[in-house]
Amino acid sequence: KAGVTQTPRYLIKTRGQQVTLSCSPISGHRSVSWYQQTPGQGLQFLFEYFSETQRNKGNFPGRFSGRQFSNSRSEMNVSTLELGDSALYLCASSLDGGPYGYTFGSGTRLTVV
Amino acid sequence: KQEVTQIPAALSVPEGENLVLNCSFTDSAIYNLQWFRQDPGKGLTSLLLIQSSQREQTSGRLNASLDKSSGRSTLYIAASQPGDSATYLCAVSPSGSARQLTFGSGTQLTVLS
Repeated sequence: KAGVTQTPRYLIKTRGQQVTLSCSPISGHRSVSWYQQTPGQGLQFLFEYFSETQRNKGNFPGRFSGRQFSNSRSEMNVSTLELGDSALYLCASSLDGGPYGYTFGSGTRLTVV
Repeated sequence: KQEVTQIPAALSVPEGENLVLNCSFTDSAIYNLQWFRQDPGKGLTSLLLIQSSQREQTSGRLNASLDKSSGRSTLYIAASQPGDSATYLCAVSPSGSARQLTFGSGTQLTVLS
């Protein structure tokens, strides 16, 4: 059974650019969540999608956005990159959120220079 | 607002020791609690998921307990091995409509050979 796949694994971007990260959930999972992990703030929730609709959103600026496609694959976009956006971005999939637990991908390491 | 605390932040033990990692949370209205393992620079690997109605879960040398009323969970690792060295994170999933995990800051475990 394939796990959660995130691409790319590593990215280096320049301040002011934008970036798109991709996440393919486990087959049959309809909920996809995104988290940002930094040494200073730990793991913080970005947003969660279910059946192409954003159901929950964390406390991040509008530069962070996402979407989910009909096949449950999800993308997140960060516009006007700042140095502080450098982080490990993790995607998690679930049948339908909390009661079923979450499976995480290996993450995308974003470095903004 | 849910807050999750993990103590200790770091732990170093000789190989073969049994050990306990602690997790506490402030809001007992949870669906479940999940323990994860994270190796440096990698994603999260789910270890155990405890539903709010359960008291404990076991997988191999791992045993996790949950006391929802007191807001505490423990992860017990028996006969530790150097391969157990990693950061261990606990996360709670709230009951209700929110679909997001709140993470503790983790316990960095080193098992010395």
